[in-house]
Amino acid sequence: NAGVMQNPRHLVRRRGQEARLRCSPMKGHSHVYWYRQLPEEGLKFMVYLQKENIIDESGMPKERFSAEFPKEGPSILRIQQVVRGDSAAYFCASSEPQGERHEQYFGPGTRLTVT
Amino acid sequence: GNSVTQMEGPVTLSEEAFLTINCTYTATGYPSLFWYVQYPGEGLQLLLKATKADDKGSNKGFEATYRKETTSFHLEKGSVQVSDSAVYFCALSPGASGNQFYFGTGTSLTVIP
Repeated sequence: NAGVMQNPRHLVRRRGQEARLRCSPMKGHSHVYWYRQLPEEGLKFMVYLQKENIIDESGMPKERFSAEFPKEGPSILRIQQVVRGDSAAYFCASSEPQGERHEQYFGPGTRLTVT
Repeated sequence: GNSVTQMEGPVTLSEEAFLTINCTYTATGYPSLFWYVQYPGEGLQLLLKATKADDKGSNKGFEATYRKETTSFHLEKGSVQVSDSAVYFCALSPGASGNQFYFGTGTSLTVIP
């Protein structure tokens, strides 16, 4: 059973370009979470999605960032007009509801560098 | 609110030394607590977890006990190996009051032969 897949693993963008990060959850998982890890910091929650629905986007910056999890295909985190401060590791996690305790399985991350 | 405070690193130990990484939390409700490990260039792997007070999580020689009275979940290992060198994250899941995880800032551990 493959784990959570993320691609690309490394992404370099110039300021002003768009970055698209992809996440395929574990087989059978229908919940996806995106986290951002800035250098020397822990992971910060960004958004929680189920298929075709955004459940909680309280951690998403108000501008330039968007996320989707379509009925078919991977979840996409999209960053428009990237700036140097967007350089970070972006991690995706997936889970299947298990009562009140959701165990999240993490992907290897995408390391975004904005030059 | 919910938050996790983790012992700052980096920590350097000799092989076979005893390891403690402190973690305390604040939470509303009854959270689950987790330790994740991140090896260089990789994602986070679940190391152990505890879902209620006084539970002890254990895996690969690591242990942590969920202490509600001190709001702590300290990670311990009796004898570390070079292969344990990694960054360790303490995390909290609020459970019914939310689905996101709250992470500490991570503690980098280097074990030298």
